[in-house]
Amino acid sequence: EVQLVESGGGLVQPGGSLRVSCAASGFTFSSYWMNWVRQAPGKGLEWVANIKQDGSEKYYVDSVKGRFTISRDNAKNSLYLQMNSLRAEDTAVYYCARDFYLWGQGTLVTVSS
Amino acid sequence: QAGLTQPPSVSKALRQTATLTCTGNSNNVGNQGAAWLQQHQGHPPKLLSSRNNNRPSGISERFSASRSGNTASLTITGLQPEDEADYYCSAWDSSLSAWVFGGGTKLTVL
Repeated sequence: EVQLVESGGGLVQPGGSLRVSCAASGFTFSSYWMNWVRQAPGKGLEWVANIKQDGSEKYYVDSVKGRFTISRDNAKNSLYLQMNSLRAEDTAVYYCARDFYLWGQGTLVTVSS
Repeated sequence: QAGLTQPPSVSKALRQTATLTCTGNSNNVGNQGAAWLQQHQGHPPKLLSSRNNNRPSGISERFSASRSGNTASLTITGLQPEDEADYYCSAWDSSLSAWVFGGGTKLTVL
């Protein structure tokens, strides 16, 4: 089955770190750009970052530059988002997405003391 | 980063036609086209139309996308109750090297 499954969300204090993961299956993961998109409670979609097939190019939304790092392991069919210096405004459901066509169910990250 | 502009809400009667708009600039919509996504409450988004206005397999022909200059449009014909959802447009911005989203339009089917 073609799917993406996120994991690793949870409650973290402001200034803390968290890594969320996305496991891909059912397609050739190494052939696709991959994205992280987030959605704050009751708000719209916000693109966070993407990464090229071989990891050689990465792009980020301004609000996370220098704090978040996107990476991938093609051998493990996995996508990651390392989030450091977390802020309350980073609270959101984090989705991984392929081409905006295939989406995971999302993982909730809550930044609160 | 500046996003794309969508009307916050649109209301149309059952079986009527709704046209949703998405305005950007020459670096995003005008240059790269816009994708359209539908999201029902509590669910991940679903791609309705890619940047080149193609519908993915399984998407109803009632959904059609187009573009004129810096404005993209999504037309939904024969509105059904299940079309009530939030609709987002998105485009790659070549000056920002980033994807930008619209704020979303909540479509209500009366």
